[in-house]
Parts: sequence; C-alpha cells; structure tokens
Amino acid sequence: SQELEQSPQSLIVQEGKNLTINCTSSKTLYGLYWYKQKYGEGLIFLMMLQKGGEEKSHEKITAKLDEKKQQSSLHITASQPSHAGIYLCGAERRDDKIIFGKGTRLHILP
Amino acid sequence: EPEVTQTPSHQVTQMGQEVILRCVPISNHLYFYWYRQILGQKVEFLVSFYNNEISEKSEIFDDQFSVERPDGSNFTLKIRSTKLEDSAMYFCASSERGTDTEAFFGQGTRLTVV
Repeated sequence: SQELEQSPQSLIVQEGKNLTINCTSSKTLYGLYWYKQKYGEGLIFLMMLQKGGEEKSHEKITAKLDEKKQQSSLHITASQPSHAGIYLCGAERRDDKIIFGKGTRLHILP
Repeated sequence: EPEVTQTPSHQVTQMGQEVILRCVPISNHLYFYWYRQILGQKVEFLVSFYNNEISEKSEIFDDQFSVERPDGSNFTLKIRSTKLEDSAMYFCASSERGTDTEAFFGQGTRLTVV
C-alpha cells in the first residue's frame, strides 16, 4: 500500500524565516497534493503536482516534485503567522482517492 | 468562489443513534468523497462515489456506513448505529474529474458520540 512520510512532524520557526517540509513516498506518485489545515478546520487546497520535476508557486509557497516522482518538498519563504497550521501531503491514486501523510505542524513565533 | 459545504458543523449524538452528515459538493463536480480525522490522527479515506455508486471504500467503511446522493445537490454519509470510536471530524470532498483534478474539501463536521 502507498505510504507517505512527512518530515518534520512539527516545526517551530521565527517569523520571517524560510522553511521546508518534505514528503516522501514508498512508491512512484501519479500526482501529489499539498493541503493546509488549520487546527480543527477543513483542508485548504494549495497545489497539485503531476509531472516529474514540476514546480509550482502560490504567493510565498513553492512546491516541487522530484524527477523520480517519489519526493516532494514545500518551501515557505519569509514565513508569517498566517502560515501556521498543519500541512498535509496527499498521494494521488488511480482508484479515485487521495492517501494522506500524517501532516507537519507548523508554528510561527512572532 | 465555489466551495464544498457541510452541515452541521458539529453534531453530538448518543451511542447507538443514527446520524446523517450532509454535504453539498461543488455543482459541476462528479466525484465525491468522505474522509475522517480522529483527533490527533491523520486524515483517512472512507469512500469515493461516482455515477451514483461507490467506486472505492476503505476497511473503515463497514456495514454501519452508507452514502447517498438523494438529489442533484446533496451527498450524505449515514452512520447507522454510532460507536464512541466514530467520534471524529468528517470531511466531504469533491472533484471535477477524479484524481486528475484538484479535490476540494469542506470545513468538516465534528461528530461527538457520547
């Protein structure tokens, strides 16, 4: 079965600093989703990556999928308090579902 | 901007009671999903639904669970006889064309079984 490992499990970053969250798959990915979840709330879609080597950016968040399509990284530049939350990577499956990692909790210190 | 809406936002029910969680997917979407997240744990897939039938379900989705699209807009998850361990946040999601497109999630229904 598809296993997704996210690292780190949690991260505390000073406001203004850059940070990177990683997501590694045990199998080649058909596609990779990144979502953000605020504590106790729903999942907010950030980006979807499907091609090896693909990179997408949205505001100060950049996500990349490696050439082998087994690893993705999410990079936040100049972090702000609004970036705090849980970041989830999800693996796209051919059988119409997304399998999620356990998430990375991000805390931003003022 | 179109969004997936879920009602209620919070449901408290007694063990053994039936609950129905409601979702209104984005109008032109054809694929619908239910996920759940037990407090402190990861988001888990329950079921996917397409063309008025279940296309995939997980081990969690046993005979106590059922899904329905009673009309053109609603997508419901029913739990027949709730157990304490059913307490979780339940998320509905929809996508336009399945796994080739973004899946958008609702805000969730927090189910508390007492």
